[in-house]
Amino acid sequence: KNQVEQSPQSLIILEGKNCTLQCNYTVSPFSNLRWYKQDTGRGPVSLTIMTFSENTKSNGRYTATLDADTKQSSLHITASQLSDSASYICVVTPNNNAGNMLTFGGGTRLMVKP
Amino acid sequence: DTEVTQTPKHLVMGMTNKKSLKCEQHMGHRAMYWYKQKAKKPPELMFVYSYEKLSINESVPSRFSPECPNSSLLNLHLHALQPEDSALYLCASSQDRVGQYYGYTFGSGTRLTVV
Repeated sequence: KNQVEQSPQSLIILEGKNCTLQCNYTVSPFSNLRWYKQDTGRGPVSLTIMTFSENTKSNGRYTATLDADTKQSSLHITASQLSDSASYICVVTPNNNAGNMLTFGGGTRLMVKP
Repeated sequence: DTEVTQTPKHLVMGMTNKKSLKCEQHMGHRAMYWYKQKAKKPPELMFVYSYEKLSINESVPSRFSPECPNSSLLNLHLHALQPEDSALYLCASSQDRVGQYYGYTFGSGTRLTVV
């Protein structure tokens, strides 16, 4: 069964600090992996998307890494800001004829405190 | 235009009401999706439309009725809902069901409360 597991479930950090969120998946065959940021009560907003051949991708203070061999991804947030407080969701797309059937992780709820 | 627009942003309805959620995109995407998301849970897929035809219905109760009038619009008609249907309803679109890399975009959601 295709699964995406994220850790930690929740995280509290101080403003200005860095943090790393983890995503492990069992989806196979694999097409791409996306990280989304979701503010409470709002729709997910895409941060990064990576195919199996990409190891790292950055978007401002967000840097995602991917190890397709171990089926692990991480999202590193640098110099956190209060506005980074949100849920971060790892989403994996299988490479099959079903097309675009995304598998969602449970998310990491990040709180950045002043 | 690179957005998926959902209206209304908030909706409160009684269990005997009939209401509709609307979703619109002008990115030329040919696949559109409805998701339901409860608090602190990931989105759950409800329906998939591909080229204006319903291709996936994830065993959703008939009190939810989707409609795709054209390639830019997606509606979700609601009737006789239950309080447990209260959730954030998300619309998404993508180039098509095979274009798995490009353009999977979510709307900002409709917060639905059933009283």
